[in-house]
Amino acid sequence: DVKVTQSSRYLVKRTGEKVFLECVQDMDHENMFWYRQDPGLGLRLIYFSYDVKMKEKGDIPEGYSVSREKKERFSLILESASTNQTSMYLCASSSWGGYYEQYFGPGTRLTVT
Amino acid sequence: KNEVEQSPQNLTAQEGEFITINCSYSVGISALHWLQQHPGGGIVSLFMLSSGKKKHGRLIATINIQEKHSSLHITASHPRDSAVYICAVEDGNQFYFGTGTSLTVIP
Repeated sequence: DVKVTQSSRYLVKRTGEKVFLECVQDMDHENMFWYRQDPGLGLRLIYFSYDVKMKEKGDIPEGYSVSREKKERFSLILESASTNQTSMYLCASSSWGGYYEQYFGPGTRLTVT
Repeated sequence: KNEVEQSPQNLTAQEGEFITINCSYSVGISALHWLQQHPGGGIVSLFMLSSGKKKHGRLIATINIQEKHSSLHITASHPRDSAVYICAVEDGNQFYFGTGTSLTVIP
């Protein structure tokens, strides 16, 4: 059974804190993605990675950075959390190529106060 | 401009009704995905298709490449079908997502 796990389901942080969101997949997938989901805006891509130590900016990378030191793990970092980063964060992974499904993690609901 | 448009945004149905959710897209695609998101956030991939029609249980997904349109049908709807349904199109490694259709099925 394929699995994508995220480190927390719910997280509350204060403005200015550094926040780490971890994602791990056990399917040996090359591609990993970080999205945020907000009401009325759907899923928006923050960053993706197609290989270890490789990363590409998505549609809304500002205020975020990522790290992929190992193939199975993709971390999203909020250097200095702000209230407008309160959102649902979803990680996904897929195998290389255009016809492969994305598998999603359960999501992390982050609240920045 | 959104690359993927879904309709309706919200849908309420009585148990047993036949439901259709529509998705139109403007980009060239290699595949189209229908996703289901349950309350609490978990997302499940329902279908991935690049042509024709797929069926899984009470769910049917169709795609018309020429018209750049896909539909998700649910037959004999049930309250457990209540969820947000998201259409996503894939162009190489880039995904474009619709904003989702929130379905509520009333017993």
